[in-house]
Amino acid sequence: GQNIDQPTEMTATEGAIVQINCTYQTSGFNGLFWYQQHAGEAPTFLSYNVLDGLEEKGRFSSFLSRSKGYSYLLLKELQMKDSASYLCAVMDSNYQLIWGAGTKLIIKP
Amino acid sequence: EAQVTQNPRYLITVTGKKLTVTCSQNMNHEYMSWYRQDPGLGLRQIYYSMNVEVTDKGDVPEGYKVSRKEKRNFPLILESPSPNQTSLYFCASSFPPGQGTDTQYFGPGTRLTVL
Repeated sequence: GQNIDQPTEMTATEGAIVQINCTYQTSGFNGLFWYQQHAGEAPTFLSYNVLDGLEEKGRFSSFLSRSKGYSYLLLKELQMKDSASYLCAVMDSNYQLIWGAGTKLIIKP
Repeated sequence: EAQVTQNPRYLITVTGKKLTVTCSQNMNHEYMSWYRQDPGLGLRQIYYSMNVEVTDKGDVPEGYKVSRKEKRNFPLILESPSPNQTSLYFCASSFPPGQGTDTQYFGPGTRLTVL
C-alpha cells in the first residue's frame, strides 16, 4: 500500500531552526508537496519538489531524495505564527495526492 | 480575488437528511476534489474531477456523490448522512496534475456534524 510517515508532533523555540521529516512509499512519484495548516483553517501551499535537492524560499526550505523516499521541511528563525500543522503529500503515478497525517509544530517563547 | 468558496461553513444535521455542500472556484481550474479531514488521519480524498462531466472515486467515496456540470462548481452530496460522516470537509482546485502547476487551492472548509 501507499504510505506517508511524518512525526505527529514537534516542539521548538522561537528564533531556532526545526526540521520536519517525511518518508514515503508510493506507487510512482510525480512530486512532493508541503502545506501549512493552522488549526481550523484550510491548508496553504508551501513548497513543491520533483527533483532531488534543496529548494529554498525565504525562511522555509524543502529537501528531496527520491532514491531514499525522503523529504524534509526546514524552518529557520522560527516565529510564534509558525505554530501550525505541516502536511507532506506525494503525487503518485496516477497523479493522485497521498497525504501524511501532518506534524503539529509547537513554538515556545 | 482568486478563491475557492464553500457553503455552508458549518452544518449540524440529523441522520438520513439529504444535504449538499457547494464548492465554487473562479480560477478556471480543470481539476477539483473533495477531502475529509479527521484527527490523526490526515486528508483523505473522497472524489475528484479532471474536468466537466468527468468524476472519479477517491479513497473514501462511500456515502457520497458528486457532480461536475460546470467547470467552476463541484458540489458534494450526502444522500443519507450518518454520524460517521461527521468531519471537516475541504474542496480544492488546481490546473491538471502533472503539468508543473500542481498547487492545490483549498476552500475554507465545512465542518459537518451528523447527529
